[in-house]
Amino acid sequence: DSGVTQTPKHLITATGQRVTLRCSPRSGDLSVYWYQQSLDQGLQFLIQYYNGEERAKGNILERFSAQQFPDLHSELNLSSLELGDSALYFCASSVGAGTPLAVGYGYTFGSGTRLTVV
Amino acid sequence: LAKTTQPISMDSYEGQEVNITCSHNNIATNDYITWYQQFPSQGPRFIIQGYKTKVTNEVASLFIPADRKSSTLSLPRVSLSDTAVYYCLVGDGSSNTGKLIFGQGTTLQVKP
Repeated sequence: DSGVTQTPKHLITATGQRVTLRCSPRSGDLSVYWYQQSLDQGLQFLIQYYNGEERAKGNILERFSAQQFPDLHSELNLSSLELGDSALYFCASSVGAGTPLAVGYGYTFGSGTRLTVV
Repeated sequence: LAKTTQPISMDSYEGQEVNITCSHNNIATNDYITWYQQFPSQGPRFIIQGYKTKVTNEVASLFIPADRKSSTLSLPRVSLSDTAVYYCLVGDGSSNTGKLIFGQGTTLQVKP
């Protein structure tokens, strides 16, 4: 158990629908990151929140949005789903807002949510 | 973040030593080199990190030559359970964002 909890583990939904993925960071971590991993795109950074505020944005579609709540858990909302959105969605957490590469062991991934859009 | 280049895939047999080399020609003075391991359907896991020369932990060794333009992850006596994707990342961590940029990684297949 990495300490980062993601729910649900699996999600199957139809095109055009909306889903919410949830992430609880490791205790004490203030940053939450969302990544998408599909077979043809690899691991893609989507967005980072630090202590409730958006910190960095990556290749996140306009149909996707995220937020971090006062208790530091985060939700990733995916709407108007398309077949191509089928992927593994990972959440990661770290203590600070930055510097993960100098302190690599402080960056922890969850086990992911597998989204299948049919 | 400096761009990295790794072999797409490698095969090995149980009990062998595996060396995966990563090229990072544009590495900056303050950059660290970090390796992650990812098993199928699991999130990436930190393996090892280094700045120069050699670093060793209970899982792997990391060799970094003097010019730091490449690094080699060494896995001693691999087992079937070492079959995974291995990612090399380079960055200085001084950015105000903690995002990690992953390349394609190296898929290691360990055979019996």
